[in-house]
Amino acid sequence: AQKVTQAQTEISVVEKEDVTLDCVYETRDTTYYLFWYKQPPSGELVFLIRRNSFDEQNEISGRYSWNFQKSTSSFNFTITASQVVDSAVYFCALRGYQKVTFGTGTKLQVIP
Amino acid sequence: EPEVTQTPSHQVTQMGQEVILRCVPISNHLYFYWYRQILGQKVEFLVSFYNNEISEKSEIFDDQFSVERPDGSNFTLKIRSTKLEDSAMYFCASSTTSGSYNEQFFGPGTRLTVL
Repeated sequence: AQKVTQAQTEISVVEKEDVTLDCVYETRDTTYYLFWYKQPPSGELVFLIRRNSFDEQNEISGRYSWNFQKSTSSFNFTITASQVVDSAVYFCALRGYQKVTFGTGTKLQVIP
Repeated sequence: EPEVTQTPSHQVTQMGQEVILRCVPISNHLYFYWYRQILGQKVEFLVSFYNNEISEKSEIFDDQFSVERPDGSNFTLKIRSTKLEDSAMYFCASSTTSGSYNEQFFGPGTRLTVL
């Protein structure tokens, strides 16, 4: 069985602050992919990042960075210098053989 | 860039009516999926479909639901007799193959409102 846990239900930050969204996962698969999606108020799922289980190298892309630690089954996501447009619900997800399992989401509110 | 499309973007129906949600997956993809997101909740897997057969389904996908690929391009989700609790956003997705290394591409969703 797969499980994705996002313990933070809602976070508020002031614009330009950094914010980290936590994600912890469980899977029996040895090969899997982890994702972060952004869901703005309009409802669509916007793909942000994909990481495979063999690649623990952390990455920075613009204002986004990811910290994947297999030893603790965590895949955290950081937004640097947050902006109002970052306000959305962020979902961590795990891709197994057939389906994607999503976490419950973290609602991020960036206050101007 | 190829993308998954879904129609309609918003569907309103009366309880007990049948609805069909339509999806056009990316053209060279072979695996198709439906997910559901009740307002304010997480996205949940409903069903996967390959070679004109359901390959996996969740406990949510009961006899009221069915999927079909009626032609070479469309992939549909039918709800036979809608209930109030079917109100949700429905996402279609597709991938080239199964396996965790293959990304699923999601459509923009259809918001279903059952009155």
